[in-house]
Amino acid sequence: GAGVSQSPSNKVTEKGKDVELRCDPISGHTALYWYRQRLGQGLEFLIYFQGNSAPDKSGLPSDRFSAERTGESVSTLTIQRTQQEDSAVYLCASSSTSGWDADTQYFGPGTRLTVL
Amino acid sequence: LAKTTQPISMDSYEGQEVNITCSHNNIATNDYITWYQQFPSQGPRFIIQGYKTKVTNEVASLFIPADRKSSTLSLPRVSLSDTAVYYCLVGIYGNKLVFGAGTILRVKS
Repeated sequence: GAGVSQSPSNKVTEKGKDVELRCDPISGHTALYWYRQRLGQGLEFLIYFQGNSAPDKSGLPSDRFSAERTGESVSTLTIQRTQQEDSAVYLCASSSTSGWDADTQYFGPGTRLTVL
Repeated sequence: LAKTTQPISMDSYEGQEVNITCSHNNIATNDYITWYQQFPSQGPRFIIQGYKTKVTNEVASLFIPADRKSSTLSLPRVSLSDTAVYYCLVGIYGNKLVFGAGTILRVKS
């Protein structure tokens, strides 16, 4: 079946502009994660959605970052007034909470964001 | 969430067995241990998961001692294509699992 998809694959923007990154999780997956990965570094947790529960926003680095999720489907990560330090690959993952692969996170290909 | 500690990097040669150990001293009773692999320019992918003793699949083995305060990912006969970052995660089903810094494995010819 279809995996996690993300769009755009690449985004180049100017400092101060707003950007929206989209994630389409695997159908039926109730959990959705956003991560940031700077060049040569590990994954940095940003936000976690689980079903209809309030999202865990503990990883968002500043109030310029926000994310929404429509039910158990598409999620959008928005970065307002982008800064050069926001340049990174933004990865989305989804997982199920039941079945043989419960909690296994399936990752999308990521969106490479470059802020000039 | 249980904190995990892994070596920053490891070097190996083709054909050798590689063992990467992860420490998780404050692992909870209901926590599982999961390992992921990440190749450059790709998202991480699941390798193996276990709760105690030993788990083996077609890719790797996972050894977990009785106290569960550590775990060791074993990769048999590595090849150049096993060069990647390996992440150890500890957590409970239904809760978020977050990634640490990972271990960079470099396999040389």
